[in-house]
Amino acid sequence: DTGVSQNPRHKITKRGQNVTFRCDPISEHNRLYWYRQTLGQGPEFLTYFQNEAQLEKSRLLSDRFSAERPKGSFSTLEIQRTEQGDSAMYLCASSPGGGAGEKLFFGSGTQLSVL
Amino acid sequence: AQKVTQAQTEISVVEKEDVTLDCVYETRDTTYYLFWYKQPPSGELVFLIRRNSFDEQNEISGRYSWNFQKSTSSFNFTITASQVVDSAVYFCAFLRGFGNEKLTFGTGTRLTIIP
Repeated sequence: DTGVSQNPRHKITKRGQNVTFRCDPISEHNRLYWYRQTLGQGPEFLTYFQNEAQLEKSRLLSDRFSAERPKGSFSTLEIQRTEQGDSAMYLCASSPGGGAGEKLFFGSGTQLSVL
Repeated sequence: AQKVTQAQTEISVVEKEDVTLDCVYETRDTTYYLFWYKQPPSGELVFLIRRNSFDEQNEISGRYSWNFQKSTSSFNFTITASQVVDSAVYFCAFLRGFGNEKLTFGTGTRLTIIP
C-alpha cells in the first residue's frame, strides 16, 4: 500500500512565476486535501475534494490559487504570479471518505521558495 | 470560531523520562473530534489518535497515553519512557462534527529527546 505521493519535493521560483504541484493520494481514497504550513506553525486548511468535486475552499486561497482533481484521482495545485508570501510547505492528504472525523494520510509535502 | 492552543513551543527531556504535551481547545460545538499528529524531520504528518466529543475515556497505546477532559477543554498527550525516536513536532488538531472536513491545528510542540 503506497502512501500519498507529492511532487516535486522542493521548488524554487522567482516572484511572478507560476508553479504547479502534484499530489497522488492513496489508491481508492475519495477525499483529498491541501494544507499549507509555514515555519513554526501548524498546517492551515486550503481546500478539499470529494472525488472530483471541490467542496470547500479556505479564504486563504486567493484567486491566484487553483486546485483541480479532474478524474477523482490525482490533484494539482497551481499558484499563479507567485509572491514571496507564498513560500511555505504545501501538504497533501487523503482519506477514504466513508465517514466523519476520518484520520488523514499525509504526503511529505512540496517546499516552495519564492525568491 | 474554533481554536487550538499548544502553549509549549519546545520541550527537551532526557531519554527514558516521561513527558506530557498539553493541548487546550475552544469551541461552542457539542459534537467534534480531537486528534494528535506527529511530524518527524521527514515532514510527513503521521496520525496518532482520534477522540470524539462523546467519548472521554482515556486511552493507552504502548508508551503513549491520552487524557481527554471536557471540563477543562484539554486533550493532553503523555509519552512514558521516552526514546530518541520520539523526537518530532507534535500537533493537536480539532475538527467540527457533522460533515465538516477542515482540521484546525495548533502551532505544535517540538519535542527533543536527549540520549
